[in-house]
Amino acid sequence: GAVVSQHPSRVICKSGTSVKIECRSLDFQATTMFWYRQFPKQSLMLMATSNEGSKATYEQGVEKDKFLINHASLTLSTLTVTSAHPEDSSFYICSARAAGAEKLFFGSGTQLSVL
Amino acid sequence: AQKITQTQPGMFVQEKEAVTLDCTYDTSDPSYGLFWYKQPSSGEMIFLIYQGSYDQQNATEGRYSLNFQKARKSANLVISASQLGDSAMYFCAMREGPRGSTLGRLYFGRGTQLTVWP
Repeated sequence: GAVVSQHPSRVICKSGTSVKIECRSLDFQATTMFWYRQFPKQSLMLMATSNEGSKATYEQGVEKDKFLINHASLTLSTLTVTSAHPEDSSFYICSARAAGAEKLFFGSGTQLSVL
Repeated sequence: AQKITQTQPGMFVQEKEAVTLDCTYDTSDPSYGLFWYKQPSSGEMIFLIYQGSYDQQNATEGRYSLNFQKARKSANLVISASQLGDSAMYFCAMREGPRGSTLGRLYFGRGTQLTVWP
């Protein structure tokens, strides 16, 4: 089946630094990628939708200057958490879908801890 | 209003028994899709089953079946012959809009933690 690779799986950083998370579709072209955030024991909350070659669409309440999303190619999207603070600590998970396809395939997630 | 409601925070089932996980949804869009995902403790989201709003028959995938009751707006997941490896968090999700729509994104419920005991 389709595979989405997400790296890193875990990252610990100091407050004020930036962290980049990569999401790659390995065997299909992902025209649309989604970034979710999940707090412990809670549901996935959609942060933004990115389409290849265009600007990401952010959900209400998500700071676009803080969570920079780049979808420069059909197989790669990145999420950069800029000037991270402890409240940004969370589980971030990406998903990808091919054009016209129904299923979303998810990466394995990134646990971000900001000290 | 919540688009996806999962009323069971936790469920317990004995190995080899069947279990039903509840999901109700709310949408005014005539075209939508319903999904179930499994999230083990490792964090990855594993696709289990899909039901389209216009599909005539209930979806089945191996031991998973979706009990789709359109008038009641419910999409319960039935797992038959539970296995210890089924212990995980299960999420119901909905996509509004036509099949394959690039605008369609998934709305998730709060999840149900399933524990299978020997």
